[in-house]
Amino acid sequence: DTEVTQTPKHLVMGMTNKKSLKCEQHMGHRAMYWYKQKAKKPPELMFVYSYEKLSINESVPSRFSPECPNSSLLNLHLHALQPEDSALYLCASSHVEGTQYFGPGTRLTVL
Amino acid sequence: GIQVEQSPPDLILQEGANSTLRCNFSDSVNNLQWFHQNPWGQLINLFYIPSGTKQNGRLSATTVATERYSLLYISSSQTTDSGVYFCAVNTGFQKLVFGTGTRLLVSP
Repeated sequence: DTEVTQTPKHLVMGMTNKKSLKCEQHMGHRAMYWYKQKAKKPPELMFVYSYEKLSINESVPSRFSPECPNSSLLNLHLHALQPEDSALYLCASSHVEGTQYFGPGTRLTVL
Repeated sequence: GIQVEQSPPDLILQEGANSTLRCNFSDSVNNLQWFHQNPWGQLINLFYIPSGTKQNGRLSATTVATERYSLLYISSSQTTDSGVYFCAVNTGFQKLVFGTGTRLLVSP
């Protein structure tokens, strides 16, 4: 099974809302990632978790808060977002330093 | 940081044609992946190829690490090959840096 799942597929939220994105994998991977992709641009790394610990934060604003409750799950908590945060949010997983496998993404719109 | 440039940026093909996509990177890398992003946004793994040549059906890829480039060959293209092709490099520490992408449109 090489599947990474993400929920929801689409999300519309206001600037005062709090919402969460979820990502799950059952491949036994111990590294999980969040990427952000704006329209017509390549994905950009936001966070890396390795063995359930945050190992990389690419200077992401604090209105994005990642969480890795266990080795299969990765969450991204969203609070007080801005319209410019509208994007496709992609989750990925891998063995540490291995091939990264991506989920289908959550398309986020901030009004 | 490392720069990853892809060419051409846009490519239009007739169904059945062959094409070569190029990925140049500015520094040594630990590994390189090729992805196809379909119109719904899903990134599909094509190759994990830090060096050498690999083939998978109508697709093949070659990476020459010493010269800092990789090539993706698509033969007998089909309309389902349309989308954006990305190469992505890893310089260590689990950081995957994506190239600028090649947008491919295959017309029937």
